[in-house]
Amino acid sequence: GDSVTQMEGPVTLSEEAFLTINCTYTATGYPSLFWYVQYPGEGLQLLLKATKADDKGSNKGFEATYRKETTSFHLEKGSVQVSDSAVYFCALLGYGGATNKLIFGTGTLLAVQP
Amino acid sequence: NAGVTQTPKFQVLKTGQSMTLQCAQDMNHEYMSWYRQDPGMGLRLIHYSVGAGITDQGEVPNGYNVSRSTTEDFPLRLLSAAPSQTSVYFCASMWDRNTEAFFGQGTRLTVV
Repeated sequence: GDSVTQMEGPVTLSEEAFLTINCTYTATGYPSLFWYVQYPGEGLQLLLKATKADDKGSNKGFEATYRKETTSFHLEKGSVQVSDSAVYFCALLGYGGATNKLIFGTGTLLAVQP
Repeated sequence: NAGVTQTPKFQVLKTGQSMTLQCAQDMNHEYMSWYRQDPGMGLRLIHYSVGAGITDQGEVPNGYNVSRSTTEDFPLRLLSAAPSQTSVYFCASMWDRNTEAFFGQGTRLTVV
C-alpha cells in the first residue's frame, strides 16, 4: 500500500542554518504530496503542497519539489528561525481507490537554538 | 470560523469503559478522517468518510467504530477501552483531494 518515509529526528540546528528534511514515498499512480507542521500542543496545519510531478510547493520560506523519478518530496529552508521549532510531517494523498486516504510519515522534530 | 471542533480535549478512561469522541466541522466538507498520534509512529488513519452515510476503515480500525449521519459530524466510538488505545486523537476534514486538510486540536486519551 501507499506509504511515506521521512528522516528521523530530532534535528537540532542553530538559527539561520540551512534545513533539509528528507521524505520519500511509495504510491501507485500520481499522488498529491504535502508537508504539515505541528506546533506544541496544537493540531496539524498545512505548510505546503504539490499535486503533480515537478511542482514546487512553497510557504513561509519553506520549499519542496515533487520528484517523481526519485519518489521524493524533501523539505528545505535556507535560514531557520527559533519560531520554526515544531514537528514536520510529510504526507501523501493517494490517487484512485484510496483517493481520500491521507497517509503520514512518522514526523521529524526540529529544534532551532538561538 | 470554528473549523474542526473536537471534544473533549482530555479524557481518562478505565479499561473496559466505552466512550465517544466528538468531531464537528462547519465548512461543509465531504471528507472527514480520524487519526491517532503515537510517539515514533506519526499519524495513523483509523477510519474515514467520503460523505454522509459512507465510511471506511483505515490502517488501525480495530476497537473503534464510526458513523456519519450528517455532513457536519463524525464521532469516533471506543467500544471497550484498552491501555493500547492511550493516544492523542485527531479529527480532520477536507473539501477534496487537492485542498488542505483541517485538523482539530486533538483529544488526549489515557486508558488506565
